[in-house]
Amino acid sequence: EAGVVQSPRYKIIEKKQPVAFWCNPISGHNTLYWYLQNLGQGPELLIRYENEEAVDDSQLPKDRFSAERLKGVDSTLKIQPAELGDSAVYLCASSLVSSGGVEASYNEQFFGPGTRLTVL
Amino acid sequence: AQTVTQSQPEMSVQEAETVTLSCTYDTSESDYYLFWYKQPPSRQMILVIRQEAYKQQNATENRFSVNFQKAAKSFSLKISDSQLGDAAMYFCAYRSATGTASKLTFGTGTRLQVTL
Repeated sequence: EAGVVQSPRYKIIEKKQPVAFWCNPISGHNTLYWYLQNLGQGPELLIRYENEEAVDDSQLPKDRFSAERLKGVDSTLKIQPAELGDSAVYLCASSLVSSGGVEASYNEQFFGPGTRLTVL
Repeated sequence: AQTVTQSQPEMSVQEAETVTLSCTYDTSESDYYLFWYKQPPSRQMILVIRQEAYKQQNATENRFSVNFQKAAKSFSLKISDSQLGDAAMYFCAYRSATGTASKLTFGTGTRLQVTL
């Protein structure tokens, strides 16, 4: 079974440029997460989707960040314009959440390899 | 809000020896899950072990075991017979078991070095 796929693995851009990251979750997983991992820190949730709906985007900086999950499968996270402080690893994860929105512990979150963004 | 604290930025262990990584957390909830994730240089987070808060028995997965002290809000990871492949960042994580809150809250991580 294929895992969570992310692309690109690395991205280097100049500040004020736009950038987009793509994530394809594990087949059948209805819930998709985008996490931000700063250097030396643990990941922090940016946004969580259940199918097409963003059910938790409270930590997403909406002035420059946007995300979409059309058709409830793959997802794109965009930054426009990028700032120096956006340099980090962007992780995508997916899981299967039962009806009612409760995720059983055994339906773990599976992570992709992440995209390392460097803003110059 | 829940917080997770890992007070050991780095740990070192010799191959075949045992090492314990510490984690404490703060929550007002009674029902939750705790996890240890491993992140090798490839950056992919891999679940090592999980613990349901309602279970008193400590979880064990092969060479990995936890010491879960609910009253003390402590959740340490013990790695026995350490191998070179265990070298990685280890993150402790918390997740509420109530409602729709499936967000993982991570600690800052512990970098484990394994020496010959």
